Amino acid sequence: EDQVTQSPEALRLQEGESSSLNCSYTVSGLRGLFWYRQDPGKGPEFLFTLYSAGEEKEKERLKATLTKKESFLHITAPKPEDSATYLCAVQASLGAQKLVFGQGTRLTINP
Amino acid sequence: GAGVSQSPSNKVTEKGKDVELRCDPISGHTALYWYRQSLGQGLEFLIYFQGNSAPDKSGLPSDRFSAERTGGSVSTLTIQRTQQEDSAVYLCASSLALAGGGYTFGSGTRLTVV
Repeated sequence: EDQVTQSPEALRLQEGESSSLNCSYTVSGLRGLFWYRQDPGKGPEFLFTLYSAGEEKEKERLKATLTKKESFLHITAPKPEDSATYLCAVQASLGAQKLVFGQGTRLTINP
Repeated sequence: GAGVSQSPSNKVTEKGKDVELRCDPISGHTALYWYRQSLGQGLEFLIYFQGNSAPDKSGLPSDRFSAERTGGSVSTLTIQRTQQEDSAVYLCASSLALAGGGYTFGSGTRLTVV
C-alpha cells in the first residue's frame, strides 16, 4: 500500500530561521511527488512536482528535493506569510491518477 | 471560470438526511477529483473522473456515497443517509489530463452532520 509520512507535525520558527520539512514515502513505482501549501479554510495550492531522485525545484524561499525514499522542503529565511500547512503527496506509476497525501506539517513563522 | 468553484461552502445537516455537494471545475479541465479532509487527517481520495466517466471510484467509503459528472464539466457528490462520521471538508480539484499532479483545488465544502 502506498504511504506518505510527514514530519514534524508542527514547526514553529522565528522569521529568518531556515529549516526543512520531511516527507518519507513508500510507493509501488513513483510517477511523481508533489508539494502543496494549504492556508486555513482554503484548498491546497500546488507548489512543485518532482519526478526522479536528485531532482530539485525552487520557488522564492522554498526548495524541494527528492531521493529514492524521501523528499525535503527547505525553507530559507522564512517570513510570516510562509505560515501554512505544507502537504506532500505521491502518485504511483501503475496507472493510478490519484494522489496519496501525507498528514501535513503545520508551519508557523513568528515575526 | 478562473478557479474551481464549490458549493455550498458550508452545510449543516441532520443525521439520516441526504446531501448534494457541487463542483464546477476550471473550463477545459478534463480530469476532476473528489477528496475528503477530516479534522487532523490527510486528504483522502474518493473518486476520479476523466470526462464523464469514473475510471477510479475506489475511495468511496460506502454505497451511501455516489458521484456523477455531466457534460464533462460540473460534478455532484451525493451522500445518502448521512452519518456523523461523514463530517469533513469535501474538496474538489481539476486538472488537464495527465497534468503531473498539478491539480487546482476548490476551497471545499465543510459538511457537519448533527
